[in-house]
Amino acid sequence: EAAVTQSPRNKVTVTGGNVTLSCRQTNSHNYMYWYRQDTGHGLRLIHYSYGAGNLQIGDVPDGYKATRTTQEDFFLLLELASPSQTSLYFCASSDAHWGGYEQYFGPGTRLTVL
Amino acid sequence: DAKTTQPDSMESTEGETVHLPCSHATISGNEYIYWYRQVPLQGPEYVTHGLQQNTTNSMAFLAIASDRKSSTLILTHVSLRDAAVYHCTLQGGSAKLIFGEGTKLTVSS
Repeated sequence: EAAVTQSPRNKVTVTGGNVTLSCRQTNSHNYMYWYRQDTGHGLRLIHYSYGAGNLQIGDVPDGYKATRTTQEDFFLLLELASPSQTSLYFCASSDAHWGGYEQYFGPGTRLTVL
Repeated sequence: DAKTTQPDSMESTEGETVHLPCSHATISGNEYIYWYRQVPLQGPEYVTHGLQQNTTNSMAFLAIASDRKSSTLILTHVSLRDAAVYHCTLQGGSAKLIFGEGTKLTVSS
């Protein structure tokens, strides 16, 4: 069965802090995605990648960096965290990004920036 | 901006059949209609998808209008475990899957 795991599950940091969110998938999928979910906005795509070393910009990339180190691992970096980045973050993976390939989501990381 | 429109909430009772509507008036020819559901403290879970024809699987039946501008997710014999937020979204040539707020389905016993 498809599996996407995220760590940590909860994180509290202060304004200006440095945060790394981790995601690992064991689906052998090419594509991985980072989303944030906020009340009133649904899920919004931050960054995505179609393979190790590749990075594509999503809809809300400002303040975020990402790195895909292997096919399995995708990291989201907040180098100067701000309260506006307090949110629920989801990682997902899929075989491809066009229609016909569903995305498999991780359990989420709740980030609070004080 | 979400490309789909769904009611904010719907209510049902165990054992009933529920019809969850979704409007996607600006859908492109290569876009698939996807449904995901999400319960608190978990990520969205794939339910079903379709392009033009109605589809069915163990989780739900997806009815797609002939002009593809709307669809309906049909859940039969709902149970308490079907209570969730149901997201209707479109996926095509872009990776930018757009989720709106979805429909919160409440199931009572």
